[in-house]
Amino acid sequence: EAGVVQSPRYKIIEKKQPVAFWCNPISGHNTLYWYRQNLGQGPELLIRYENEEAVDDSQLPKDRFSAERLKGVDSTLKIQPAELGDSAVYLCASSTGRANTEAFFGQGTRLTVV
Amino acid sequence: AQSVTQLDSQVPVFEEAPVELRCNYSSSVSVYLFWYVQYPNQGLQLLLKYLSGSTLVKGINGFEAEFNKSQTSFHLRKPSVHISDTAEYFCAVTTTDSWGKLQFGAGTQVVVTP
Repeated sequence: EAGVVQSPRYKIIEKKQPVAFWCNPISGHNTLYWYRQNLGQGPELLIRYENEEAVDDSQLPKDRFSAERLKGVDSTLKIQPAELGDSAVYLCASSTGRANTEAFFGQGTRLTVV
Repeated sequence: AQSVTQLDSQVPVFEEAPVELRCNYSSSVSVYLFWYVQYPNQGLQLLLKYLSGSTLVKGINGFEAEFNKSQTSFHLRKPSVHISDTAEYFCAVTTTDSWGKLQFGAGTQVVVTP
């Protein structure tokens, strides 16, 4: 069974440019998460979806970040415009959403803003 | 709100020696605890989890952890490490009223040398 798939793996952009990341969760997983991992730190939750509904987006910087999961399957996270401080690894994870089940993580997208 | 503190940012250890990674948490409600491992340029992989029951939890790759409620700790141990255990290790917590919202520690880098 395929795991969580993210693309691209690496992205380098100039500041003020837009960028988008894509995530395809494990089949059958209703819950999808986007995390941001800054260098030398643990991941921090940006947004959590239950099917197509964003149930927790309190940590998403809404002035420049947006996310969507239109059909309740794959998801896109966008930054527009990007800032130097957005350089980080963006991790997608998914789970069944049932209590006592863990989240499975993708390999992440490493974003470098120059 | 809950928080996680990993007391060591880096732990050097010789091959075949034991290792212990320390994790303390704070929460006003019951918690679920996890240890994840992250190999270079990879996503996070679950090592083990504590949900309820026995406070000694065994995971993959010979790792185990012990939940200590009175000391609010969840330390990770392995009796004999291999070179391949070189990685970053993250402790994470979620609570009964916010299942799925993982709070991660800053991570502990384990470096195994021959």
